[in-house]
Amino acid sequence: ETGVTQSPTHLIKTRGQQVTLRCSSQSGHNTVSWYQQALGQGPQFIFQYYREEENGRGNFPPRFSGLQFPNYSSELNVNALELDDSALYLCASSLEGTNEQFFGPGTRLTVL
Amino acid sequence: AQSVSQHNHHVILSEAASLELGCNYSYGGTVNLFWYVQYPGQHLQLLLKYFSGDPLVKGIKGFEAEFIKSKFSFNLRKPSVQWSDTAEYFCAVGNTGGFKTIFGAGTRLFVKA
Repeated sequence: ETGVTQSPTHLIKTRGQQVTLRCSSQSGHNTVSWYQQALGQGPQFIFQYYREEENGRGNFPPRFSGLQFPNYSSELNVNALELDDSALYLCASSLEGTNEQFFGPGTRLTVL
Repeated sequence: AQSVSQHNHHVILSEAASLELGCNYSYGGTVNLFWYVQYPGQHLQLLLKYFSGDPLVKGIKGFEAEFIKSKFSFNLRKPSVQWSDTAEYFCAVGNTGGFKTIFGAGTRLFVKA
């Protein structure tokens, strides 16, 4: 059984740029959630995808968007990066209708 | 508003001491409750979960948690901590539909050998 993987591990961008983060879900999991974890904070829910559709969203602006693919891999896209977007971005996969989530190692994004 | 409050941000214990980490939540409807752990250099892992039934749930590595509905609490306990329990612990709440899990800010536990 393959766990949740994320790429890249680290990323440095400048303000105003765009970034794409990738996640490969655990085998058989059809739901993926993305979280932002700022330093010293708990993970904050960005959005969830189920069957390639956004299934709910937290308090994040539209410049945070996502995609889920038929093979259940997914992307998080952030446009017009701001300094406050610097954080660890976590992907978590789960089975439909449950919220027992399995987390990836995260992508550390630094915005300069 | 939905929220999760963890009472302590930092806890320092000696080995063999007992541990209790507090967690209170504000979340409408029927909830699922979780404790996750993040060991140094590792990713978040599920420690234990409560969906329904016996409010005292047991997880991995000797941890347990008690759901007290009337107090909106889900405190984590371990009778005797080990140095290897040094980690950050997160309480989380989600609805039964599997959508939008809310995490607390975390408690950093340091266990002195």
